[in-house]
Amino acid sequence: QKEVEQNSGPLSVPEGAIASLNCTYSDRGSQSFFWYRQYSGKSPELIMFIYSNGDKEDGRFTAQLNKASQYVSLLIRDSQPSDSATYLCAVRNENEKLTFGTGTRLTIIP
Amino acid sequence: DGGITQSPKYLFRKEGQNVTLSCEQNLNHDAMYWYRQDPGQGLRLIYYSQIVNDFQKGDIAEGYSVSREKKESFPLTVTSAQKNPTAFYLCASKGELGQPQHFGDGTRLSIL
Repeated sequence: QKEVEQNSGPLSVPEGAIASLNCTYSDRGSQSFFWYRQYSGKSPELIMFIYSNGDKEDGRFTAQLNKASQYVSLLIRDSQPSDSATYLCAVRNENEKLTFGTGTRLTIIP
Repeated sequence: DGGITQSPKYLFRKEGQNVTLSCEQNLNHDAMYWYRQDPGQGLRLIYYSQIVNDFQKGDIAEGYSVSREKKESFPLTVTSAQKNPTAFYLCASKGELGQPQHFGDGTRLSIL
């Protein structure tokens, strides 16, 4: 079992709709959770991070964390073509080690 | 402007050659990291350093070496022992405990 799992996609969402990206992790000792956006050929850019169970909202982005289910998600409301990218989920354990999933490729259809 | 600078943007290695990738940050961050990304893959940790003059191996350290003589700088050498060096190399740094990592723009290494 991979430590951090994401559906590789591609995930296609119409412009203006909600995009939902999911991530599961295997280490119950994981402390913090990050979502990075990576455009093709570019480096990852931090979008959101969440430490506590529940929801955290920042503009059009909402991160959701459920530690009991070992599940973290990212919702993008009012999806725009500029949101088309690969989204990387990363999980950090108590030793500060960050483990990345392989990413979900999101395409917003105009 | 504060940030992480990686150079060069593109690098080509000949067989049997060592090459060094530069990473400099002016964010006053203690921790620095090197990752490798292959097409369609997530990031894999090569080496990391929590403080000056100290560094630890990550998950795929074989064929790589690093140094951390200054807080601002964490160069990565890809040695001839690394048989499959073609990849996108990313340097990251992090401030206080619990803070997220931020990335430089990356160096793309290819074999001639």
